[in-house]
Amino acid sequence: GAGVSQSPSNKVTEKGKDVELRCDPISGHTALYWYRQRLGQGLEFLIYFQGNSAPDKSGLPSDRFSAERTGESVSTLTIQRTQQEDSAVYLCASSLVPAATNEKLFFGSGTQLSVL
Amino acid sequence: AQKVTQAQTEISVVEKEDVTLDCVYETRDTTYYLFWYKQPPSGELVFLIRRNSFDEQNEISGRYSWNFQKSTSSFNFTITASQVVDSAVYFCALSPTGGFKTIFGAGTRLFVKA
Repeated sequence: GAGVSQSPSNKVTEKGKDVELRCDPISGHTALYWYRQRLGQGLEFLIYFQGNSAPDKSGLPSDRFSAERTGESVSTLTIQRTQQEDSAVYLCASSLVPAATNEKLFFGSGTQLSVL
Repeated sequence: AQKVTQAQTEISVVEKEDVTLDCVYETRDTTYYLFWYKQPPSGELVFLIRRNSFDEQNEISGRYSWNFQKSTSSFNFTITASQVVDSAVYFCALSPTGGFKTIFGAGTRLFVKA
């Protein structure tokens, strides 16, 4: 696609429910990142994929969070048993080459998650 | 530990004023990259610049300029003759060479009034 696409753009859920957030990176981009942005705050790193592998999952806030990537393309971030503190914008980014070259990131518009 | 500090939470200026956004970083790495991203109201972050830690030359791109000073661990961003379209949140970021985790500051929200 022309850019990084995220869906849904907005998600309202009840506390305790599970949610899935989807990211379609730019075609051919091998690196994919998830960040969380709480209201008025900076970007918090969650997880990075190189291909379909996640070398570092240490940014995931708790074991309720998981992510996967398939076909070196689409990635899904799943939050189980959502809590109100999970409310935030979840941003996905991709880059063309492995992150070791410190390539610039291309971001999607994010998914605004609201947990009631 | 690595950290990026943007002490200015919000800045408000009148159109045509010059404005400087401050960024101070901490890292123990000897080589690293610094970035600035712009997040307009639409929400999608847009890359502005990347600077290697070896390159301390200032850079100018149109109305934008960046001042990198390794001695003070700062990478400040100046907008000359600001315009309403410059209104956005601006993020400074740090990434170690060979690493994959880009660390972002909290952002500075810039309001440019007509």
